[in-house]
Amino acid sequence: GAGVSQSPSNKVTEKGKDVELRCDPISGHTALYWYRQSLGQGLEFLIYFQGNSAPDKSGLPSDRFSAERTGGSVSTLTIQRTQQEDSAVYLCASSLAIQETQYFGPGTRLLVL
Amino acid sequence: AQSVAQPEDQVNVAEGNPLTVKCTYSVSGNPYLFWYVQYPNRGLQFLLKYITGDNLVKGSYGFEAEFNKSQTSFHLKKPSALVSDSALYFCAVRDLDSGYSTLTFGKGTMLLVSP
Repeated sequence: GAGVSQSPSNKVTEKGKDVELRCDPISGHTALYWYRQSLGQGLEFLIYFQGNSAPDKSGLPSDRFSAERTGGSVSTLTIQRTQQEDSAVYLCASSLAIQETQYFGPGTRLLVL
Repeated sequence: AQSVAQPEDQVNVAEGNPLTVKCTYSVSGNPYLFWYVQYPNRGLQFLLKYITGDNLVKGSYGFEAEFNKSQTSFHLKKPSALVSDSALYFCAVRDLDSGYSTLTFGKGTMLLVSP
């Protein structure tokens, strides 16, 4: 596709359930990034991938969060045992190479009841 | 460490008037600076960036930004605001001299352009 796509666009889940968020980057982009945007907050960096490798996982807020990327393309962010404080918009971005301009997807709005 | 400050939570301007959205930054080395815009229920859209060269950078939708090294600022400007410019604007910085570093975003400034 022409841009970064994310699915689902909206997700409502119950506290304690696991959720998977998907990101499909721009074709040919080797770097992929996940951010979280909470109401009234800026963007919180979560993790980035260079190819399929995640050199920097320091932004993941807890061990309930994990992410993987396969085939140098699609990435999945998984949140286990969701909590209400996980409610936020999760944004994915990709760039042609690390350090290059990041292009963002529309985000997944997650609501944990 | 690197950081970005957007001192105004909200900027109000009348349509047709010039607008400025302020951004100051802090990095150890040389900055790589960005502006993004976010419309409601959308992701961030890239507006413009500065690496080196001319201090005045021109971007999408008639926006421009001026890099000022002495004041460590990168303010976003537009000569004549449109109602459709109303959105949330984010400034971001990366330290070019620190190897890889994450992109650090400001908290955002809501721009409201009144008819």
